[in-house]
Amino acid sequence: QQQVKQSPQSLIVQKGGISIINCAYENTAFDYFPWYQQFPGKGPALLIAIRPDVSEKKEGRFTISFNKSAKQFSLHIMDSQPGDSATYFCAATPRDSNYQLIWGAGTKLIIKP
Amino acid sequence: DGGITQSPKYLFRKEGQNVTLSCEQNLNHDAMYWYRQDPGQGLRLIYYSQIVNDFQKGDIAEGYSVSREKKESFPLTVTSAQKNPTAFYLCASSIVGRANYGYTFGSGTRLTVV
Repeated sequence: QQQVKQSPQSLIVQKGGISIINCAYENTAFDYFPWYQQFPGKGPALLIAIRPDVSEKKEGRFTISFNKSAKQFSLHIMDSQPGDSATYFCAATPRDSNYQLIWGAGTKLIIKP
Repeated sequence: DGGITQSPKYLFRKEGQNVTLSCEQNLNHDAMYWYRQDPGQGLRLIYYSQIVNDFQKGDIAEGYSVSREKKESFPLTVTSAQKNPTAFYLCASSIVGRANYGYTFGSGTRLTVV
């Protein structure tokens, strides 16, 4: 069964620090790796995404690093702010699917002022 | 503004009752999805639909039913057969059934059994 394993389950970071969330996958037939951000009581929203032919993608303070040989990808939040406190989900799209997202279990991030 | 509207925001169900959660989108997306989220858990797929009048079961379809009579609407019924329905329910949509165009989610319905 295809899986995406996400760690840590929860993370506390001081304001201004770097938040790092990691995901690993077990199937090479994925062609899209998005990250979603979810605030309490809201639906997740697409934050940033990467394709496997790219090793890094940066959007503002958010960076995805992708290691194809290790089957790992990670989200880095630079200069973390209290407003970044949310639950973050990684996901992966199987190449042979036109609907499916395989979700990680989520990471609850708290940024301490 | 385009988006997905879920209603109601909060819903209380008595034992043995069927309830229907509404999901409407004005994004002109072909595909729509229903997910269940339990506290501290990830997202589990209940049903999805890629076209009007067609839908498929996801990973946890038992005790749920859906319909897709209009492109804009994808209501979810939580039946009395669902023994543990208390959860946060999320509706989502995407372009032409390709997840790599990104999902748009609604704000969710929190269902509680009383």
